[in-house]
Amino acid sequence: GQQVMQIPQYQHVQEGEDFTTYCNSSTTLSNIQWYKQRPGGHPVFLIQLVKSGEVKKQKRLTFQFGEAKKNSSLHITATQTTDVGTYFCAGEDDKIIFGKGTRLHILP
Amino acid sequence: KAGVTQTPRYLIKTRGQQVTLSCSPISGHRSVSWYQQTPGQGLQFLFEYFSETQRNKGNFPGRFSGRQFSNSRSEMNVSTLELGDSALYLCASSLSFHYGYTFGSGTRLTVV
Repeated sequence: GQQVMQIPQYQHVQEGEDFTTYCNSSTTLSNIQWYKQRPGGHPVFLIQLVKSGEVKKQKRLTFQFGEAKKNSSLHITATQTTDVGTYFCAGEDDKIIFGKGTRLHILP
Repeated sequence: KAGVTQTPRYLIKTRGQQVTLSCSPISGHRSVSWYQQTPGQGLQFLFEYFSETQRNKGNFPGRFSGRQFSNSRSEMNVSTLELGDSALYLCASSLSFHYGYTFGSGTRLTVV
C-alpha cells in the first residue's frame, strides 16, 4: 500500500542554522501537503504542492516537490526558536497519508 | 470564522466501554477526516467522510466507526475500548478533495 517516509525523525540545530526535512512516497502523488505541529498543539496546514518540480517559498521556508512527484522537502533558513515543532508531510493519492514527522529542536 | 471544534477535549474511559467523539467542521467544509495520534505511531488515518459518505478508511479494526451528518458534523465511535486506544484523536476538515486540512484541537482519550 501507499507509504510516506519522512527523515530525519529528530533534528537538533543551533538557532540560526538551516534545517531540512525530506519526504518520500512509495507511489506517485497527486499533491503533497506540509503541516507544522507545535508542542501540545495540533497540526497546522502550511502549504500544498501540486505540480512536478514545484518550488514555493514562505518567508524563510522553502518547499519543493520532486519531478517524479514522489518526494518533497522543506527547508528552513536561519532557524528561530519559533520554528520549534514537528513538521509533517502528507502525500495524497487516492487518500492522504501522513509521514511520521520530523521533530525540530532549536538550541539557543 | 470558527475553526474545527472537537468535543470533548479530554475523556477518561474504562477498558471495555465505548466512546463517541464529536467534530464540527468549518462552515462550508464538506470533507471530514479523523486521525489517531500517538507518540510512537504518529498520525494514523482512520477514515474520511464527504457528503455523508465514507470515502476512505484506514487500517483500523471494526471497533472504530464513524459517520457524517447532513450538516457535515461528524462523530466517531470506538467500542470495546482497549488500553492501546489511548491517544489524541484529531478531526480535520477540508473544503473538498485535494485541499489542505484544518485540524481541530483534538480529543485526548485515556483508557484505564
